[in-house]
Amino acid sequence: QKEVEQNSGPLSVPEGAIASLNCTYSDRVSQSFFWYRQYSGKSPELIMSIYSNGDKEDGRFTAQLNKASQYVSLLIRDSQPSDSATYLCAVIPRQGAQKLVFGQGTRLTINP
Amino acid sequence: EADIYQTPRYLVIGTGKKITLECSQTMGHDKMYWYQQDPGMELHLIHYSYGVNSTEKGDLSSESTVSRIRTEHFPLTLESARPSHTSQYLCASIQGLVIETQYFGPGTRLLVL
Repeated sequence: QKEVEQNSGPLSVPEGAIASLNCTYSDRVSQSFFWYRQYSGKSPELIMSIYSNGDKEDGRFTAQLNKASQYVSLLIRDSQPSDSATYLCAVIPRQGAQKLVFGQGTRLTINP
Repeated sequence: EADIYQTPRYLVIGTGKKITLECSQTMGHDKMYWYQQDPGMELHLIHYSYGVNSTEKGDLSSESTVSRIRTEHFPLTLESARPSHTSQYLCASIQGLVIETQYFGPGTRLLVL
């Protein structure tokens, strides 16, 4: 079982709709969770971080964490064509670890 | 914009050649990382360093080697390139303990023929 799993997609969403991206992780002791966006041919950039159960909102982005279910998600409201990218879920595998474990990413396409 | 640089950006090379991928950062970050990413796949950590003269192998076995003689410089070397080494290589760095604020370099796309 992979440490971090995502549906690779592609996920197609009409412009203006809500895009929902999901991620599960295998290690119950994981404490910190992140979403990165990676445009084709570019490097990943951090867009959201979440550390405690519940929702965290930042503009059009909402991260949701459920540690009991070992599940983290990213919602993008009012999707724009510029949101089309691959979204990578990343986890710090245990407290104090100085590295990230990445999922394979979900490719999101926003259709005008 | 983070000041982390990778050269070359693209490299096409024949099997058996020795290559060095360069990574430099001007931010004085102590921790640096090398990731390998195939198209549509996850980033795999192949090497990391917590400071000068400190290097560790990552989660993915790699035939490459690294060195950290200076804080700002973290080169990756393949002694004998093979087609299986064809991939994108991303360098990253952070300062202190805030691992999530990794600054990524632009990457090197390597093609071994």
